[in-house]
Amino acid sequence: DAGVTQSPTHLIKTRGQHVTLRCSPISGHKSVSWYQQVLGQGPQFIFQYYEKEERGRGNFPDRFSARQFPNYSSELNVNALLLGDSALYLCASSRAGAVQDTQYFGPGTRLTVL
Amino acid sequence: AQSVTQLGSHVSVSEGALVLLRCNYSSSVPPYLFWYVQYPNQGLQLLLKYTSAATLVKGINGFEAEFKKSETSFHLTKPSAHMRDAAEYFCAVTRSGGYQKVTFGIGTKLQVIP
Repeated sequence: DAGVTQSPTHLIKTRGQHVTLRCSPISGHKSVSWYQQVLGQGPQFIFQYYEKEERGRGNFPDRFSARQFPNYSSELNVNALLLGDSALYLCASSRAGAVQDTQYFGPGTRLTVL
Repeated sequence: AQSVTQLGSHVSVSEGALVLLRCNYSSSVPPYLFWYVQYPNQGLQLLLKYTSAATLVKGINGFEAEFKKSETSFHLTKPSAHMRDAAEYFCAVTRSGGYQKVTFGIGTKLQVIP
């Protein structure tokens, strides 16, 4: 079975632009979570979605938004990009989004904001 | 609130030596604890998790961790290091009964010296 896939792999944007990152979960997984990993730090939780509903949100500004589609894939949108948004964005999927469920991570999208 | 502290951002061991990566947690409710590994330019892979069952948890690749409530610790060990263990390791915590808002530590880079 294919693992979690993310696109694009790399992305370069300029300040003020908008970006959309995409994630396809493992087949049969209904929950997707997004994390931001700044260089030299651990991942930080942004969102969790389950059955197309937002289940949890981390401490990120409203410039960050996400959605989940009927096929359980997900998009993360970031508006008005800042230099500080440069990071590796990780998507993780799990079967039902329960705390004890194992999360499987994709390889990430490397976003560079100039 | 929940948090983890990883002691030592860089750890070096000789091939064949014991690996010990330290993690202390803080949580107001019974925690679930995780160790993840990240190889260069890849996403995170779950090594093991503690979900309030056995306090000694065995994971993949010969790693194990022991949950010690009295010390609020969840240290990761491996009896004999291999070159392929060189990677970055993240300790993480989430609260039981909640959604998958996982809080990660800053990470420990493990170097294995031949």
